[in-house]
Amino acid sequence: GQNIDQPTEMTATEGAIVQINCTYQTSGFNGLFWYQQHAGEAPTFLSYNVLDGLEEKGRFSSFLSRSKGYSYLLLKELQMKDSASYLCAVRDQDYQLIWGAGTKLIIKP
Amino acid sequence: DTGVSQDPRHKITKRGQNVTFRCDPISEHNRLYWYRQTLGQGPEFLTYFQNEAQLEKSRLLSDRFSAERPKGSFSTLEIQRTEQGDSAMYLCASSLEAGEGDYEQYFGPGTRLTVT
Repeated sequence: GQNIDQPTEMTATEGAIVQINCTYQTSGFNGLFWYQQHAGEAPTFLSYNVLDGLEEKGRFSSFLSRSKGYSYLLLKELQMKDSASYLCAVRDQDYQLIWGAGTKLIIKP
Repeated sequence: DTGVSQDPRHKITKRGQNVTFRCDPISEHNRLYWYRQTLGQGPEFLTYFQNEAQLEKSRLLSDRFSAERPKGSFSTLEIQRTEQGDSAMYLCASSLEAGEGDYEQYFGPGTRLTVT
């Protein structure tokens, strides 16, 4: 079966750095997405990786290792507004998105 | 374009009733997706359309669920004989896809369904 694993919840301090990991086992691979979802709102796109390596976009970076079935989202200079759930999603061989359950990130002052 | 819109935003219904939700995607997007999301879980794929054609439907989806996308524009999701287990947020997303690439899905605000 297809499976995506993320930690359920993480806590970090304002101004710090946090890394959210995602491991996946899917039928084929055509890219990995990270989305942010604030409570009660729809997911919004953060990043996309299809080749191995690091993609940097402002305070957010995403890393992919296809051989390990592994990705992480790195958030720097954390702000209170970063408190949200972060969803990892993999596009499989049929170009369908398989979603993880999300990691709830709690930022403390 | 203001993005993906969904109507209604909230729906409370009694068990056994039928409900219909509407999604208006971003106008130039050819793909439209329906997801269901419960608290603490990621979106669960229900079905998707490429233009007006329904290309895939989740094998786990009950026959009580049906979706249409007439003329490849807006879409409707109907749930017949609702059950309490249908209570969830129903999300619609659209994307413009023409092959490989980083075609992100843009989500609407969702319709929160409560079945009493």
